[in-house]
This record gives sequence, C-alpha cells and structure tokens, in this order.
Amino acid sequence: GQQLNQSPQSMFIQEGEDVSMNCTSSSIFNTWLWYKQDPGEGPVLLIALYKAGELTSNGRLTAQFGITRKDSFLNISASIPSDVGIYFCAGPSYGQNFVFGPGTRLSVLP
Amino acid sequence: EAGVAQSPRYKIIEKRQSVAFWCNPISGHATLYWYQQILGQGPKLLIQFQNNGVVDDSQLPKDRFSAERLKGVDSTLKIQPAKLEDSAVYLCASSPHTGELFFGEGSRLTVL
Repeated sequence: GQQLNQSPQSMFIQEGEDVSMNCTSSSIFNTWLWYKQDPGEGPVLLIALYKAGELTSNGRLTAQFGITRKDSFLNISASIPSDVGIYFCAGPSYGQNFVFGPGTRLSVLP
Repeated sequence: EAGVAQSPRYKIIEKRQSVAFWCNPISGHATLYWYQQILGQGPKLLIQFQNNGVVDDSQLPKDRFSAERLKGVDSTLKIQPAKLEDSAVYLCASSPHTGELFFGEGSRLTVL
C-alpha cells in the first residue's frame, strides 16, 4: 500500500529557531495535509495544500506542495514552547481516505 | 461549531473482553472515518463511511472489529474479543467532502 516517509523522525531545537521538516511519497498526490498532535489529543489540521508548487502560510507555519507532487515541506519560524508536539503529513490513499506519515516529533528547549 | 465528539476518552479492559466506542461527527459532514493510532505511529485507517454506507473497510480486522453508522450520523466501533495488540488510541474523524479531515480527541484503549 501507499506509504509516507517523514524526516527528521525527531528534532530538538532552541526557542526562537526556525524548523523545517518534510514528507515524501512513492506515488503522486493531489492533496497534502499537515497536522499537529499534542499528547493525549487528536490531530489538529494546520495546513491543506491542493496544487503542485502551492505555498500556504498559517501564522508562523508555511507549507509547500512539492513540484514533483511526491513531497511536501513544513516550516515553522521563530519556534515557541507551544510548538512542541508531533507533526504528521497525510495524503489521499486509494479511494477517498487518507494515509498518514509516521510523524516528526518536535521538542523546543527554552 | 462543535467538533467531533468521542467517548469514552479512556477504557481499560482485559483481553477477550469487548469494548465499544462512540463518535458524533461535525454536523453536516457526510464522511466519517475510524483510525487506529498505536503509540509512536501515525494514524492508520480502519473504516470509512460515506453517509451510512461503507466506502473502505479493507484494513478492518473483521474477525474482531465491527463498525456501523446508523442513519448516517453517529457511529460506533466495537472490538470483540479484544487482544493485547489492540491497545491504541481510536480516532474518529469527519469530513465535509473528500478532503480536510477533522479529528476528535480519541478514545484510548488499554488491553491487559
């Protein structure tokens, strides 16, 4: 079945630093979704991308739909403690459902 | 707008017992999903409903898992009998169309 890979698997950064993470797929996607999950909570949608090359921002978050349609990137600028969590990418699987990546775990050090 | 509601939030059972989870999607969302999230992994789809019909249940372990969405609104997911490896968070999500899933807080199951 379709699988997504995310890198890095985990990262530790200082407060105020910028963060970059990416997601790759073996197949072409026409949609990319980025989610954040806090401990004990469900994933919360951050950004949705629908067009190759699209660059979309949500506050300090910026995500891009890769030109090859097989990857996507999420950047967080000027990180703060509440950015801590697990970031998941998701893309449409066969049919109408979505497959999720394994996540990137972000830790922000004060 | 109210989000996706799930209950119970936590459940502890012994293996071979049964358990049921309930989900109420966002009003007007036709598509409902149940995902299983094992600790340290991303969510994995169990079943997808469109209104009250099943769209995809190819990854649902049908020998022990069942789900229904009567009247195309609320849904229940049942596990009977539970195994140790069923310990996970069961996430319900709904979508107004085939994009942008909105998740509930999840139901955490521990099987002893």
